[in-house]
Amino acid sequence: AQSVTQLDSQVPVFEEAPVELRCNYSSSVSVYLFWYVQYPNQGLQLLLKYLSGSTLVKGINGFEAEFNKSQTSFHLRKPSVHISDTAEYFCAVTWYGGSQGNLIFGKGTKLSVKP
Amino acid sequence: EAGVAQSPRYKIIEKRQSVAFWCNPISGHATLYWYQQILGQGPKLLIQFQNNGVVDDSQLPKDRFSAERLKGVDSTLKIQPAKLEDSAVYLCASSLGIAGGEQQYFGPGTRLTVT
Repeated sequence: AQSVTQLDSQVPVFEEAPVELRCNYSSSVSVYLFWYVQYPNQGLQLLLKYLSGSTLVKGINGFEAEFNKSQTSFHLRKPSVHISDTAEYFCAVTWYGGSQGNLIFGKGTKLSVKP
Repeated sequence: EAGVAQSPRYKIIEKRQSVAFWCNPISGHATLYWYQQILGQGPKLLIQFQNNGVVDDSQLPKDRFSAERLKGVDSTLKIQPAKLEDSAVYLCASSLGIAGGEQQYFGPGTRLTVT
């Protein structure tokens, strides 16, 4: 079965430090990849997505992610985090020819930014 | 543009009772999804509609869960009877179409507690 693994359940970091949230997926076919952010008591908001083309994808709020097909990874990065980035981040994948856009999510990574 | 609306936001019921959730997608969005997000996990797709037809309900526990999308607009998800393990956030999402790379827009969710 297809799956998404987020390697860190919690990531504490100081304000203005860089951060990387890791995501790996299992797939033998081509994929579409997404990162969503969830603030407390809110729904999920799309940060960025990879459909095709350049492997470096830039999203909102200064986040970016790099698609690495050989490593089957899609790690999320930000060079300098703010307190307001404290939230839970979900990596998700869907497959070409998959179940009509059905997203498979990882378990999430809680990013905690400290002053 | 109004986002995806869901109600109620919170619901507490006892096991074996029934409950219903309502979702109104973004205007013009043909595809509607219901996800279940259990604490500490990523969202899991329960059912997907394209207009008023079911595309994927393979992970819907059909002995207790039901969903409908009359007239291809808003949707209701029902649980009858509820079990303790149904405690979760139920997220509704919508997208313009059904292609794998389509962005899904999420509502704020309904937090269900079954006691």
